[in-house]
Amino acid sequence: AQKVTQAQTEISVVEKEDVTLDCVYETRDTTYYLFWYKQPPSGELVFLIRRNSFDEQNEISGRYSWNFQKSTSSFNFTITASQVVDSAVYFCALSEPGNQFYFGTGTSLTVIP
Amino acid sequence: ETGVTQTPRHLVMGMTNKKSLKCEQHLGHNAMYWYKQSAKKPLELMFVYSLEERVENNSVPSRFSPECPNSSHLFLHLHTLQPEDSALYLCASSLYPGQTYEQYFGPGTRLTVT
Repeated sequence: AQKVTQAQTEISVVEKEDVTLDCVYETRDTTYYLFWYKQPPSGELVFLIRRNSFDEQNEISGRYSWNFQKSTSSFNFTITASQVVDSAVYFCALSEPGNQFYFGTGTSLTVIP
Repeated sequence: ETGVTQTPRHLVMGMTNKKSLKCEQHLGHNAMYWYKQSAKKPLELMFVYSLEERVENNSVPSRFSPECPNSSHLFLHLHTLQPEDSALYLCASSLYPGQTYEQYFGPGTRLTVT
């Protein structure tokens, strides 16, 4: 079974719409970290956020917000008032103790002007 | 140069060739990573280096040979590759190894094995 599941392969929205990218993870560790990265067409993954397993507070950064729910093992990412520049592939990742990092398969977001 | 750079950006090689991928980080980090990104598959962590010592090797075939001469440079030596090795190879770095630290990625090398 995959450690990180991003069920949405591709999403298209019209500019200014809100969009939520889903991430479900699986781990037996009590201490873990969750991440979101953005991969624009240029290729490099850009770090967006890190959340540790003991901090379930939701976070907002400008148009971006994250909803972490341990009860459902989910760490969803919402973009409010989407813009064309948000078009990219978004990856959710899990890190466990040691040096293991697990990425999802990514969600390709297209924002249509 | 800033961040993490990778060269070459594109590489086409035959199955009998030997080539190397280069990664350089300008962030003062102490850990470096190689990932393989194939279409419709999760990123696969291949190797982790901490202060030039390999700390993880995730069952990667021996036709991939990493080298980390110092904390700023990381190489991936390739020989006798297979067509299924065609992928985007991403290098990353973090302040230290371990789960706590976010990683900073380079733009990748698009490798095609013919």
